[in-house]
Amino acid sequence: EDQVTQSPEALRLQEGESSSLNCSYTVSGLRGLFWYRQDPGKGPEFLFTLYSAGEEKEKERLKATLTKKESFLHITAPKPEDSATYLCAVHSGTASKLTFGTGTRLQVTL
Amino acid sequence: NAGVMQNPRHLVRRRGQEARLRCSPMKGHSHVYWYRQLPEEGLKFMVYLQKENIIDESGMPKERFSAEFPKEGPSILRIQQVVRGDSAAYFCASSQGTGNEQFFGPGTRLTVL
Repeated sequence: EDQVTQSPEALRLQEGESSSLNCSYTVSGLRGLFWYRQDPGKGPEFLFTLYSAGEEKEKERLKATLTKKESFLHITAPKPEDSATYLCAVHSGTASKLTFGTGTRLQVTL
Repeated sequence: NAGVMQNPRHLVRRRGQEARLRCSPMKGHSHVYWYRQLPEEGLKFMVYLQKENIIDESGMPKERFSAEFPKEGPSILRIQQVVRGDSAAYFCASSQGTGNEQFFGPGTRLTVL
């Protein structure tokens, strides 16, 4: 069974303080790893898809990287509007579903 | 471009009533997925449908829950004889194909009294 573990559960940063979120996964045949952002009371918002080890993608202050066992979401010089829960999910084998981690709650303060 | 639409956004039911949740996928998307999110838990897959077909219902409880995606109209997740444990946020997602990015709707928050 596919497993996704995210750490830390919660992270508090000051504005401008860069950090990384971790997503470790165990799957049989990774077809894609997805990062989403979820604000309170809203649906997950798609950020990135990574397909193979060594791949990287960037969007504004966010950069996602992938190895054979984990993915990192690097946040450079975060702003308060980056505060949200960041979700990692995997799509594996012949399954159609996404398997999600429980997320990292990020709070960025002034 | 309208995103995934869900209604109602909030639904209150008493124990034993039926709940019907609706989902209209993004334009051009023919794949629909339903997920449930309990407080302090991650999103859990329930069912995957294409037009008029259930492809994978491995995450859906065998009793009281059903889903459909008719040729015309939205996908519907139906919960019969609701119990308090059904209280959760239910999210619908759509994609262009299997393995493509899934785009989520705003969710329906079901409260069972």
